[in-house]
Amino acid sequence: GAVVSQHPSWVICKSGTSVKIECRSLDFQATTMFWYRQFPKQSLMLMATSNEGSKATYEQGVEKDKFLINHASLTLSTLTVTSAHPEDSSFYICSASAGNYNEQFFGPGTRLTVL
Amino acid sequence: DAKTTQPPSMDCAEGRAANLPCNHSTISGNEYVYWYRQIHSQGPQYIIHGLKNNETNEMASLIITEDRKSSTLILPHATLRDTAVYYCIVSVNTGNQFYFGTGTSLTVIP
Repeated sequence: GAVVSQHPSWVICKSGTSVKIECRSLDFQATTMFWYRQFPKQSLMLMATSNEGSKATYEQGVEKDKFLINHASLTLSTLTVTSAHPEDSSFYICSASAGNYNEQFFGPGTRLTVL
Repeated sequence: DAKTTQPPSMDCAEGRAANLPCNHSTISGNEYVYWYRQIHSQGPQYIIHGLKNNETNEMASLIITEDRKSSTLILPHATLRDTAVYYCIVSVNTGNQFYFGTGTSLTVIP
């Protein structure tokens, strides 16, 4: 089956720094990628939708200048958390979709801890 | 916003069938019902999906009511490894946004 990877799997950073998370579709070309955030004991919250070569579409309440999304190729999307603060600590998950598949494929997630 | 409601938690005895309900009363005619599950601190895993007919695969069965306002995911012989949070999602297709509800936390008891 199709595989989506994320890197890093976990990261700890100091407050004020920026952190980049990569999401890759390993064996298929993803026309659309999605980014989610999940706080402890809560459900996944959709942050944004990105299509290759175009600007991401952010969900209401998600700051686009804080969460920068780049979808430069059909196999790679990146999420950069800029000037991270402790309240940005969360589990970030990406997913990818391709037209010839009947499911969204989810990555394993990235645990971000901001000190 | 999520268009689904699910009970927050359920228990099931190991080896018995687990029946997980989902209400989606505002589902549109072209929206599918997708089921995913999430084991602690992992990404969601696809289980099954359907439009209006009942579906079965190696993992589970999906029963959708005739009016499509609700569905039930059936795990025929639950094992301890099926302990997870199960999410029911409605969407036009996989290229569209998935809005997750609160899901059902299933605990399989030995």
